[in-house]
Amino acid sequence: TQLLEQSPQFLSIQEGENLTVYCNSSSVFSSLQWYRQEPGEGPVLLVTVVTGGEVKKLKRLTFQFGDARKDSSLHITAAQPGDTGLYLCATTGTASKLTFGTGTRLQVTL
Amino acid sequence: ETGVTQTPRHLVMGMTNKKSLKCEQHLGHNAMYWYKQSAKKPLELMFVYSLEERVENNSVPSRFSPECPNSSHLFLHLHTLQPEDSALYLCASSRGLAGGGLVNEQFFGPGTRLTVL
Repeated sequence: TQLLEQSPQFLSIQEGENLTVYCNSSSVFSSLQWYRQEPGEGPVLLVTVVTGGEVKKLKRLTFQFGDARKDSSLHITAAQPGDTGLYLCATTGTASKLTFGTGTRLQVTL
Repeated sequence: ETGVTQTPRHLVMGMTNKKSLKCEQHLGHNAMYWYKQSAKKPLELMFVYSLEERVENNSVPSRFSPECPNSSHLFLHLHTLQPEDSALYLCASSRGLAGGGLVNEQFFGPGTRLTVL
């Protein structure tokens, strides 16, 4: 089973700051997804990256897939309280299974 | 209703009770999943159904029994649970299973927060 380590585990920042969270594995990803889970809700898909070196942007969020497809990062510019939540990376292993990372819990305060 | 719905949202049960969690998806998807989310542990896949047939069972104790009567509905029947089974149980659906270049994009429900006393 592919293990996905996310760092940091917890992050508390003030509104307007920038931040980067990471997702790493010792194995190569076939594809990688980032989800955000807000308190009391299920995870919501933010983006899927497939190609090594790929960069995708979603408003203030920038997702990067490592060249070797073993790591990924999520950068948030000018964080807002609405960005608060648990950020999860996930990768497809067998045809039916998503393996989720350990998660980064982000708190953005005013 | 749109998306994936789950009922109840909260459930408290004793170890000798029998209860069921319900999930319904309104997306026309063919695959449905049960996950367990505990504090300090990654999301754990429990069961996968594709076109109402179970395709994966991740060594889940028999006190958890899934049922998928049709492609829109998924149940998780609970019997003689333990306190360590307390967790958020999430249901998800996807258009199909990943494979052949198809990426598995899953849509999650809000979860049922289960507490076993």
